[in-house]
Amino acid sequence: QVQLQQSGAELMKPGASVKISCKATGYTFNSYWIEWVKQRPGHGLEWIGEILPGSGSTNYNEKFKGKATFTADTSSNTAYMQLSSLTSEDSVVYYCVRRGITGLDYFDYWGQGTTLTVSS
Amino acid sequence: DIQMTQTTSSLSASLGDRVTISCRTSQDISNYLNWYQQKPDGTVKLLIYYTSRLHSGVPSRFSGSGSGTDYSLTISNLEQEDIATYFCQQGNTLPFTFGSGTKLEIK
Repeated sequence: QVQLQQSGAELMKPGASVKISCKATGYTFNSYWIEWVKQRPGHGLEWIGEILPGSGSTNYNEKFKGKATFTADTSSNTAYMQLSSLTSEDSVVYYCVRRGITGLDYFDYWGQGTTLTVSS
Repeated sequence: DIQMTQTTSSLSASLGDRVTISCRTSQDISNYLNWYQQKPDGTVKLLIYYTSRLHSGVPSRFSGSGSGTDYSLTISNLEQEDIATYFCQQGNTLPFTFGSGTKLEIK
């Protein structure tokens, strides 16, 4: 069955960078877009962007350009999101998500979420 | 960006009730509207895609409808396990955007 397993909670200092991982199992990793979504309490869900592992193609929400960088390792079926210049505004939960292949642009499987805390 | 509005932030209903959750978009999204359920532990699942198509494994008491800028999710015969927050999301145009969520509680 399709599963996305994210890395554990992180505690980082302001100004640092962090890399969150998302290991995919149960499907052909190269063929599906991996999405990254941010959830702030009281602010709902926000789309950060996406990567297609097979080609390395990416799309970013303009709001997160310069903040987030996506990569993928097809040998280990793992996607990564690096967040740079961390501030308290980055202290939220991040999800990796698989986008369905049919062109209807829905997110059919979600990781369990990774909590990032930025504090000095 | 397409704005997504879920005007009801929380909703209280009784077990066995029929519940409808609404979502309005700032422009026509041609039925590219999806619904998700988030449980209190943070687990998120796809319920409905493309307005009315039921995702694999989702109980048939969930249904979706709508067109243009107005969409809704209906849960018939509410069960305890349906206690969650429900989000809509548009897949018509990048950047993908989500509604702010409707939290469903038992009366």
